[in-house]
Amino acid sequence: ILNVEQSPQSLHVQEGDSTNFTCSFPSSNFYALHWYRWETAKSPEALFVMTLNGDEKKKGRISATLNTKEGYSYLYIKGSQPEDSATYLCAFNDYGGSQGNLIFGKGTKLSVKP
Amino acid sequence: DGGITQSPKYLFRKEGQNVTLSCEQNLNHDAMYWYRQDPGQGLRLIYYSQIVNDFQKGDIAEGYSVSREKKESFPLTVTSAQKNPTAFYLCAAQTGNTIYFGEGSWLTVV
Repeated sequence: ILNVEQSPQSLHVQEGDSTNFTCSFPSSNFYALHWYRWETAKSPEALFVMTLNGDEKKKGRISATLNTKEGYSYLYIKGSQPEDSATYLCAFNDYGGSQGNLIFGKGTKLSVKP
Repeated sequence: DGGITQSPKYLFRKEGQNVTLSCEQNLNHDAMYWYRQDPGQGLRLIYYSQIVNDFQKGDIAEGYSVSREKKESFPLTVTSAQKNPTAFYLCAAQTGNTIYFGEGSWLTVV
């Protein structure tokens, strides 16, 4: 059974702090790694899709890195703002499943205090 | 406004009853998916459909059924055979490597 682990489970930071969290996934049969941002009562929003070892992607103050050989991805938020408060989900996609058979982690819940 | 619409947002069901959750998309995406989330768990795939009139079981299909008669619509029926149906259900549609989600439906069995 494929397993995707995210840590920490929750995180409380002050406005202006930079933060990062981890997604660990199986290192074999890798196809893609997805990051989503999920605010309460809204749809999960796609942040990044990463496919190549060593990939680094950036969207504003949020960036992500990917290491497929050791099976982890980091998500970084620079200068956290209260509007960054959300649950951040990662999902692993392998060659064995359909392109949409994403295996999700349980998420990291980020709270940013003003 | 384009996107994925799920309804109802909240639904209560008596034990032994079937209930159908609606998912409609106007994105013209071929692939659609249903996920379930339980407290403290990640999203788990129930069913998916890559094209009209075709669908495949996901990891936890038992007790659920779907249909895909139109590209825009992918309803999920939670049958009385589903032993623990109380959960949050998310519908999604896909283009390329990106999946877009609806806002979800909360189902509670009373």
